[in-house]
Amino acid sequence: SQQGEEDPQALSIQEGENATMNCSYKTSINNLQWYRQNSGRGLVHLILIRSNEREKHSGRLRVTLDTSKKSSSLLITASRAADTASYFCAPGGFKTIFGAGTRLFVKA
Amino acid sequence: EAQVTQNPRYLITVTGKKLTVTCSQNMNHEYMSWYRQDPGLGLRQIYYSMNVEVTDKGDVPEGYKVSRKEKRNFPLILESPSPNQTSLYFCASSSPSKNTGELFFGEGSRLTVL
Repeated sequence: SQQGEEDPQALSIQEGENATMNCSYKTSINNLQWYRQNSGRGLVHLILIRSNEREKHSGRLRVTLDTSKKSSSLLITASRAADTASYFCAPGGFKTIFGAGTRLFVKA
Repeated sequence: EAQVTQNPRYLITVTGKKLTVTCSQNMNHEYMSWYRQDPGLGLRQIYYSMNVEVTDKGDVPEGYKVSRKEKRNFPLILESPSPNQTSLYFCASSSPSKNTGELFFGEGSRLTVL
């Protein structure tokens, strides 16, 4: 199993600003996922990036993957209050060991 | 609609009173898993199942039991609940054969043990 470690632990920004969160992991991967969790709710899959991809976009989300550094980043552009949530990376597929996530707070 | 359904969503019980949290998925997924989430600790895996009749311990299995008699169902059993099992529980499923590793989560079951 593979664990993702998100950084920072918490992030507070104004609506309209960009939010960047990072993920590090320890061993080689086939792909990496990002999930969002609204307070007290189940995790929702946001985006998958495969090991042969360096960048992927989905709406206001941009994910990068650097396999040489064993790291990934999630950028949310033009943040909205509704983006307030915790974000988790999952480098181990369905066997991922989840970290504590990044808690994002977007102030209106 | 593809979904993972957990019941009950909320439960308050007393120490020692056996309870079962049900989990059902309609996606024909082979893999199912239970997690608990406590403040500041992220999601910790309790048990998982790779297929029918195949279950294994996760990181925090003590005090819990599971069974996988049918592919769609993966109930979590607390034989004698204790206050330290007060937590938010999530069931998830996935299809390893699809090679994406995507997990589908239920909405969670908030359990309080008095």
